[in-house]
Amino acid sequence: GAGVSQSPSNKVTEKGKDVELRCDPISGHTALYWYRQSLGQGLEFLIYFQGNSAPDKSGLPSDRFSAERTGGSVSTLTIQRTQQEDSAVYLCASKLAGGPGGEQFFGPGTRLTVL
Amino acid sequence: GDSVTQMEGPVTLSEEAFLTINCTYTATGYPSLFWYVQYPGEGLQLLLKATKADDKGSNKGFEATYRKETTSFHLEKGSVQVSDSAVYFCALRAGTSYGKLTFGQGTILTVHP
Repeated sequence: GAGVSQSPSNKVTEKGKDVELRCDPISGHTALYWYRQSLGQGLEFLIYFQGNSAPDKSGLPSDRFSAERTGGSVSTLTIQRTQQEDSAVYLCASKLAGGPGGEQFFGPGTRLTVL
Repeated sequence: GDSVTQMEGPVTLSEEAFLTINCTYTATGYPSLFWYVQYPGEGLQLLLKATKADDKGSNKGFEATYRKETTSFHLEKGSVQVSDSAVYFCALRAGTSYGKLTFGQGTILTVHP
């Protein structure tokens, strides 16, 4: 079956512009995570969604970052007024159910470059 | 807070050499431990895991043992192949309610024929 998909695969933008990154989780997976992979910070958690519950946004680095998940499926990560330090690979993962157990399946990522 | 420390890389080996990538962690409670692998041009994949002390995770010839006394989860393989060239990430999942993963910095492994 289809895995986690992300789009675009690559995004180049100018400093100060807004960007939207999309994640399509595996069908039927209720838990969804965003992570960021950057040279300086390694791989870090950003945000978690579970069903219709309020998301855990504790990993978002600033208020320029926001995310939503519509209909409990597709998620969009939005970065406003992008800065050069936002350049990274943004990874999405989904899991069958909420709670601590179960395997997270990762998408291929979106590589964001801010000029 | 929770953290994972991996040995610094990159690591370069010849085919059939023995591999060890060190990983130590700091966490409250009793975390689950993981190794993920990222092959060139591909997404992160779970390689192996261990959920309690003294458990050994294994897959594709790789092994790692959960050592609570040394807070370690070192990755080993007896004979590496060129196809093992990838980035390896150690990670933990603490006893939170939703399974957030905390990753190490990653170790680049290159295996030459």
